[in-house]
Amino acid sequence: EAGVVQSPRYKIIEKKQPVAFWCNPISGHNTLYWYLQNLGQGPELLIRYENEEAVDDSQLPKDRFSAERLKGVDSTLKIQPAELGDSAVYLCASSLDSGGQGFYEQYFGPGTRLTVT
Amino acid sequence: GQNIDQPTEMTATEGAIVQINCTYQTSGFNGLFWYQQHAGEAPTFLSYNVLDGLEEKGRFSSFLSRSKGYSYLLLKELQMKDSASYLCAVVTNAGKSTFGDGTTLTVKP
Repeated sequence: EAGVVQSPRYKIIEKKQPVAFWCNPISGHNTLYWYLQNLGQGPELLIRYENEEAVDDSQLPKDRFSAERLKGVDSTLKIQPAELGDSAVYLCASSLDSGGQGFYEQYFGPGTRLTVT
Repeated sequence: GQNIDQPTEMTATEGAIVQINCTYQTSGFNGLFWYQQHAGEAPTFLSYNVLDGLEEKGRFSSFLSRSKGYSYLLLKELQMKDSASYLCAVVTNAGKSTFGDGTTLTVKP
């Protein structure tokens, strides 16, 4: 079974330019996450989807970041305009629906390494 | 908010045992995950603790004390391939996950 797929793997852009990242989760995983990870730090949640609904976007910088998951499957994260401080690895993860009292482990994609110059 | 603390770095010898601690402060705590992340790669799931006590899975074990806000990951019979970053992540009842900054473990021959 295929894992979480992300593209592109690497992206170099100049500041003020737009950029978009794409993620296809594991089949059957209704929960999708976008994280930002800086070197030497843990992943920071940007947004979490349950199907097509963004259930937690409290840490998404909405002035420049946007995300969508129109059909509840794959998702796109966009930055416009990019700033130097946005250079990081952007990770997508998916999991089964949380149910009852427990939560399921997240499966991470390989990430997109963004460099803003 | 949530606060998670882990040591930044640890070093151990091949074949030895190492314990990586994680303390947390959070409201609405549901459970705690441990992930392994090799340099340049994505995190991969190791364990999930909801109830107090020890969960054993092969060479890796994870412990949780909800009353103390404390967990540890125990790695036995260390191998060189265990050199990686180990991330502690807390999940709340609302499903919100917060990761610590990770502990970089170096295993030496």
